[in-house]
Amino acid sequence: DAGVIQSPRHEVTEMGQEVTLRCKPISGHDYLFWYRQTMMRGLELLIYFNNNVPIDDSGMPEDRFSAKMPNASFSTLKIQPSEPRDSAVYFCASSDPTGGAETQYFGPGTRLLVL
Amino acid sequence: AQSVAQPEDQVNVAEGNPLTVKCTYSVSGNPYLFWYVQYPNRGLQFLLKYITGDNLVKGSYGFEAEFNKSQTSFHLKKPSALVSDSALYFCAVRDVGTGNQFYFGTGTSLTVIP
Repeated sequence: DAGVIQSPRHEVTEMGQEVTLRCKPISGHDYLFWYRQTMMRGLELLIYFNNNVPIDDSGMPEDRFSAKMPNASFSTLKIQPSEPRDSAVYFCASSDPTGGAETQYFGPGTRLLVL
Repeated sequence: AQSVAQPEDQVNVAEGNPLTVKCTYSVSGNPYLFWYVQYPNRGLQFLLKYITGDNLVKGSYGFEAEFNKSQTSFHLKKPSALVSDSALYFCAVRDVGTGNQFYFGTGTSLTVIP
């Protein structure tokens, strides 16, 4: 398996622009997680899905952030409008909890810079 | 409330010496505990996990971790450090009783000095 795939790997945009981050989970995994990593705040869980349904979005910072999972093999995280403080590395992870304690497998991340 | 603490932001160790990266946790039920490693400009990679059974868990790259219920700790260890072990290490806990959310520590930066 190719693992969790994220695109783009790097994104530079200007304040006010819309940003869309994409994730393809590992085939067969029914949980998908979006994280944000910054030096100041560390690794933060933004939202996670189970079987394409959002379960907990309490980590989403504000209404400018939205996430969707239209099918089992694709998810997006959108920021509109973007702000400089959104600059961070955004990770997607997936897991398959069948059989007990699952392990989360992380993608390589998208490094976002908002100017 | 569920939480994980990594008391050391930075750990330095000489190559060939044993290393320990500390982690303590707090959960309301039985914990599932994990260690991940992050190399520069990369995503987190799974190292090892504790679910149940033997308190000493062996993982990738020669790492192991010891679950200590009385001290609520899950310290990561390696008998002989390599320069290539230099990375950021995250401890995580999942509270079995409250769903599938992971709680990550703040990370410990390990530097192995040649």
